[in-house]
Amino acid sequence: GNSVTQMEGPVTLSEEAFLTINCTYTATGYPSLFWYVQYPGEGLQLLLKATKADDKGSNKGFEATYRKETTSFHLEKGSVQVSDSAVYFCALSEGTGNQFYFGTGTSLTVIP
Amino acid sequence: EAQVTQNPRYLITVTGKKLTVTCSQNMNHEYMSWYRQDPGLGLRQIYYSMNVEVTDKGDVPEGYKVSRKEKRNFPLILESPSPNQTSLYFCASSRLGDGEQYFGPGTRLTVT
Repeated sequence: GNSVTQMEGPVTLSEEAFLTINCTYTATGYPSLFWYVQYPGEGLQLLLKATKADDKGSNKGFEATYRKETTSFHLEKGSVQVSDSAVYFCALSEGTGNQFYFGTGTSLTVIP
Repeated sequence: EAQVTQNPRYLITVTGKKLTVTCSQNMNHEYMSWYRQDPGLGLRQIYYSMNVEVTDKGDVPEGYKVSRKEKRNFPLILESPSPNQTSLYFCASSRLGDGEQYFGPGTRLTVT
């Protein structure tokens, strides 16, 4: 079946540090991959997405590349800010785009 | 303003007392979905709908019902709530097949 595994948190970084949050997936077909972000007390927001192998999604300085050979979609940012403190969810949708599978979320805290 | 609204935001109820959580979107989206968020489990999809009168089960549909009589509304019904349905619930909507879901603010449900 389909599933998403992401690194456990919490992650604490100093401002301007490099961020990597690992995400691997299992899928029966050719999924689309997503990173969503949840700020405290809010619903999730789409951060970036990639719909096919080797695609790179990017937004607000965050990047992730769809790697079919390693079934991974790791999230990276070169220099984090305090405002990036949130919970990050990796997700996939299977071929028809109707069913979604989310990882458990990784909490990030950035300290000044 | 484009948004997904949910009501109520907080609800405490007792075992077996039927309840409905409403969800409404103003973006004319075909696709709507319900999720529950639990610590350590991330988001799990309960039900989704691709259009009016079209609904399908997600990963954890047991104990829940939904209906889609109008495009903008997608209520979640718990006919006989139990304590294991205590959770944070999110409604989301998107264009069909797009994957960019817009989430509501969440409903925190406690069943005693």
